[in-house]
Amino acid sequence: QVQLVQSGPEVKKPGSSVKVSCKASGGTFRNFAISWVRQAPGQGLEWMGGVFPGVGAVSYARKSQGRVTITADESTMTAYMELSSLRSEDTATYYCARAHDTSGALGYWGQGTLVTVSS
Amino acid sequence: EIVLTQSPGILSLSPGDRATLSCRASQSVSSSYFAWYQQKPGQAPRLLIYAASSRATGIPDRFSGSGSGTDFTLTISRLEPEDFAVYYCQQYGSSPLAFGQGTKLEIK
Repeated sequence: QVQLVQSGPEVKKPGSSVKVSCKASGGTFRNFAISWVRQAPGQGLEWMGGVFPGVGAVSYARKSQGRVTITADESTMTAYMELSSLRSEDTATYYCARAHDTSGALGYWGQGTLVTVSS
Repeated sequence: EIVLTQSPGILSLSPGDRATLSCRASQSVSSSYFAWYQQKPGQAPRLLIYAASSRATGIPDRFSGSGSGTDFTLTISRLEPEDFAVYYCQQYGSSPLAFGQGTKLEIK
């Protein structure tokens, strides 16, 4: 049974950075892409980017490029999403999600990490 | 970049009704890489349908997906109380991946 467990809630100041982790258990970490998806309060889902641990390939949404860094550590089966130059509009719940098969539909989700950006 | 537009934004129906949710893509999407998700308040999204018409593990057969090209549909044949939630479509065949803005299915 695949499980994704994310790090806890964060409160950050504008201009700072946050790094959210996503530890996987069960399944084969290297064979399936992991995406990061965020959801601002009361809003829809926004794909930020993803990583394919087996080859280290990373892809970002255009809006994320430049401020988001997504990485994966196979040895610990953990993916990371770091967001820099935080602003108030980055306040959101951040989810990691893993493809349920090699096609890429997001079948497994973490519990979400609330990041609050406030002065 | 593919943009997905869902309609309607809000759908008000009663338990036992049939629900039809639509998603239109700004350009053709391979049906092999199209999904639907359900999200309830305070929960992570849950995969319902992948490859446009395949139900994910544990999803009841009252949920069905169809469509191809630029037009896709999620149908719930007979609504149960637990089906009232927000539904998102997604394409995952080309980067950047994209979600629709969501359809809220509410009790009438």
